[in-house]
Amino acid sequence: EAQVTQNPRYLITVTGKKLTVTCSQNMNHEYMSWYRQDPGLGLRQIYYSMNVEVTDKGDVPEGYKVSRKEKRNFPLILESPSPNQTSLYFCASSTGEQTTEAFFGQGTRLTVV
Amino acid sequence: ELKVEQNPLFLSMQEGKNYTIYCNYSTTSDRLYWYRQDPGKSLESLFVLLSNGAVKQEGRLMASLDTKARLSTLHITAAVHDLSATYFCAPCKAGSEKLVFGKGTKLTVNP
Repeated sequence: EAQVTQNPRYLITVTGKKLTVTCSQNMNHEYMSWYRQDPGLGLRQIYYSMNVEVTDKGDVPEGYKVSRKEKRNFPLILESPSPNQTSLYFCASSTGEQTTEAFFGQGTRLTVV
Repeated sequence: ELKVEQNPLFLSMQEGKNYTIYCNYSTTSDRLYWYRQDPGKSLESLFVLLSNGAVKQEGRLMASLDTKARLSTLHITAAVHDLSATYFCAPCKAGSEKLVFGKGTKLTVNP
């Protein structure tokens, strides 16, 4: 089954404690991205990757890092989380071809206290 | 910069009624997506609209795209309670894979 898998689904952490949210897709997609969703703001892109070792900033990259060492994985790293990073995070992937849909992971609800 | 405006943001309607959600966007887009999101859940793809004049229908939902007007609509016919959810439009920035989301329309269908 084609899917994008995120882990963990829920995470409560403390300010400053480094964390990683993993994202893996099994569709051999080239394009992957991270979004955060906040009430009243919709979804905003954090980072994206066009292919292995190719990443770039989205609209709200501050406080986040990503890496793309393998095609299937695109982890989101918060080196020093702060309360304003409390949000619902989604990973997405697509082929990069215009005719296809973008698949979203199940979401990770992060709370930073 | 691609900006997206969805209207209305909140919509309460009775079962059996029709209504339309509007999605305006500011610059050229390659394609446009509509997603549904239930509370606490991920985004479910409803439609991908690829060209001017594209119209797609699935059940009680019909989406259309007018690239010249930079407008997409999601029309709901004879609403039922199961359609209660938040609906997002997301045009894709031209020449990229970046989806730019509207703020969403929270639809509540009342019996």
